[in-house]
Amino acid sequence: SQTIHQWPATLVQPVGSPLSLECTVEGTSNPNLYWYRQAAGRGLQLLFYSVGIGQISSEVPQNLSASRPQDRQFILSSKKLLLSDSGFYLCASPMGGASTDTQYFGPGTRLTVL
Amino acid sequence: GDSVTQMEGPVTLSEEAFLTINCTYTATGYPSLFWYVQYPGEGLQLLLKATKADDKGSNKGFEATYRKETTSFHLEKGSVQVSDSAVYFCALGNSGTYKYIFGTGTRLKVLA
Repeated sequence: SQTIHQWPATLVQPVGSPLSLECTVEGTSNPNLYWYRQAAGRGLQLLFYSVGIGQISSEVPQNLSASRPQDRQFILSSKKLLLSDSGFYLCASPMGGASTDTQYFGPGTRLTVL
Repeated sequence: GDSVTQMEGPVTLSEEAFLTINCTYTATGYPSLFWYVQYPGEGLQLLLKATKADDKGSNKGFEATYRKETTSFHLEKGSVQVSDSAVYFCALGNSGTYKYIFGTGTRLKVLA
């Protein structure tokens, strides 16, 4: 079965500092991968998605970026964090790999920017 | 582009009341539609899904029908329980665009 790992689990960073969140997937190959942000009391906002190595689609223009250096690795980055970047970041991949399947979620990273 | 719109919450109901949470979508092609639920302190879990027009998804007494003509996927339950209190998310997955997007969520509170 498919397993999604994320780290770190929690992170407290000052404004203006860089960010790197990592997501890795086990149990599948060539998965579609997604980064979401869930701000307090709000829904899931799709940030980036990738259908293959080096292929990144951005949904929301902002100071975040994503990369997919390996088939089952998806990284979310920022050069300079803003207060508004605080939130709960979830990596996800559909169960069978296709965008029409049930979405599996990683455990998430809670980011607090001070 | 693809989008999901669901009714604003919170929704507060008495136990055994009828529940409807509206969800409409825009999408190219023929997406699959989903309802996820997030109980307090937990992650999102799939509640039900429908993969084509006129399909009805159902689980735990909840049901939703994929209506292509009205681009809707409304969630219903005939008699809610206190244990149904949670946040409900409508979502679509589109194999054409590869997008998998969620609505803003509707918080349901059921009172005994």
